[in-house]
Amino acid sequence: DVKVTQSSRYLVKRTGEKVFLECVQDMDHENMFWYRQDPGLGLRLIYFSYDVKMKEKGDIPEGYSVSREKKERFSLILESASTNQTSMYLCASSFGLAGITGELFFGEGSRLTVL
Amino acid sequence: AQSVTQLGSHVSVSEGALVLLRCNYSSSVPPYLFWYVQYPNQGLQLLLKYTSAATLVKGINGFEAEFKKSETSFHLTKPSAHMRDAAEYFCAVRAPMNRDDKIIFGKGTRLHILP
Repeated sequence: DVKVTQSSRYLVKRTGEKVFLECVQDMDHENMFWYRQDPGLGLRLIYFSYDVKMKEKGDIPEGYSVSREKKERFSLILESASTNQTSMYLCASSFGLAGITGELFFGEGSRLTVL
Repeated sequence: AQSVTQLGSHVSVSEGALVLLRCNYSSSVPPYLFWYVQYPNQGLQLLLKYTSAATLVKGINGFEAEFKKSETSFHLTKPSAHMRDAAEYFCAVRAPMNRDDKIIFGKGTRLHILP
């Protein structure tokens, strides 16, 4: 069974703290994605990666960075957390070949609260 | 560019009644279309997908969707709602041209099942 695992389901951090959200997939997928989900706004893409050590900005990258040192792992970093980054964060992965359907496989989400 | 519009952020149906969740898309090329479901405090799970084969697509849990090119629609239906269907549903579109075309999500429709 396919598996995307996010390291923390619930986190509470203070303003200004550095936050790491980890995501690991066991499907040998090339592509990995970080979304944030907020009520009424749906899913918004923060960053994505098509290969190891590659990263691309999504729609809302400000205040975030990412790291992909290994194919199976994609980390989201909040350098200095702010209250407006309180949200549900979803990691996803997909096969990377052009022409295939490219459906996403999601982790269970990490709910971050910044106080 | 692709876009997705889901009509109705909240839909309520009685248990046993027909479920109809509406999705309209915009795409410059024949798209791939998806419906995802999100149960409370979980990530998104693929319900079904359209990939230019049969226009009527059957998914898990008794759901199906019909691709109608003339109406640019991909509405999700289920003949008889069950309490376990209460969840948030997301329609998504992707243009199958190359790996750089990301999946675009609608803002979601929360389905409430009335006893």
